[in-house]
Amino acid sequence: DIQMTQSPSSLSASVGDRVTISCRASQSIDNYLNWYQQIPGKAPKLLIYAASSLQSGVPSRFSGSGSGTDFTLTISSLQPEDYATYCCQQSFTPPYTFGQGTKVEIK
Amino acid sequence: EVQLVESGGGLVQPGGSLRLSCAASGFTFSDHYMDWVRQAPGKGLEWIGRIGNKANSYTTEYASSVEGRFTISRDDSRDSLYLQMNSLKTEDTAIYYCTREVRQILWWYFGLWGRGTLVSVSS
Repeated sequence: DIQMTQSPSSLSASVGDRVTISCRASQSIDNYLNWYQQIPGKAPKLLIYAASSLQSGVPSRFSGSGSGTDFTLTISSLQPEDYATYCCQQSFTPPYTFGQGTKVEIK
Repeated sequence: EVQLVESGGGLVQPGGSLRLSCAASGFTFSDHYMDWVRQAPGKGLEWIGRIGNKANSYTTEYASSVEGRFTISRDDSRDSLYLQMNSLKTEDTAIYYCTREVRQILWWYFGLWGRGTLVSVSS
C-alpha cells in the first residue's frame, strides 16, 4: 500500500498568514493527488485535484503543487472559514490512501 | 438537490452484521463509480472500497482491512448504494461516508460526500 504522510500534523496561524501543508507519498504517484478540507461535523470537501487543479467554486487563495512523491497545499492568506483539517489522498492505485490530516487552528 | 444520504448505522456487537444504505438524488446515479470511506474517532479517513458502473461491469475493489467481510453493491433502479458489513470488529467503529467519484480524463476524485452514518461496534 502507498503511505501518505502529512506534515505538520497541526499548526497555529493567524488570519492573513500564508500556510503551507506538505504531503509525501511512499512511492511515486505522478500527480494523482487530491486535497480535501474537513470541518468538524461536516463531510470532507474537495479543494484540489490532480495535484494542482482548483475545484470549481474553491477560492483562489488555495493552491496545490508537486509531482512524484512530494506535494504541497498552500493557503495564501488564511481566512476565518479556513480553520479546518486538511488531508491529501492518492488516486494512483488501490487502496486509495489518505494522509492522516493537518489541523489548522487559530493562533 | 444533488446529495447523498446514508442510513443504517447504529450499535452492533462484535461479530455482528449491519447493512448501510446510501440514497442518491439530483444526478444520474447509474453513471458514476461509488465508494465508501470511513473515519474512526479521532483518526484520518480510510477508503473502504468502490463499485464501478454498468460500463465497468460493476467491478468492486476493497481495502485489505475489510476484504472478505464487507460487500459493496448498488441498485441503479433505486439510485442506491449499499455496504453489507459482516464479522464486525471493534476497530470498524467509525463514521461511514458514501462518496461519488468524479472522473476527468485521467484523474478522479471524491467529488460528492454524504454526511455520514455512525457505526459503533461494542459489547
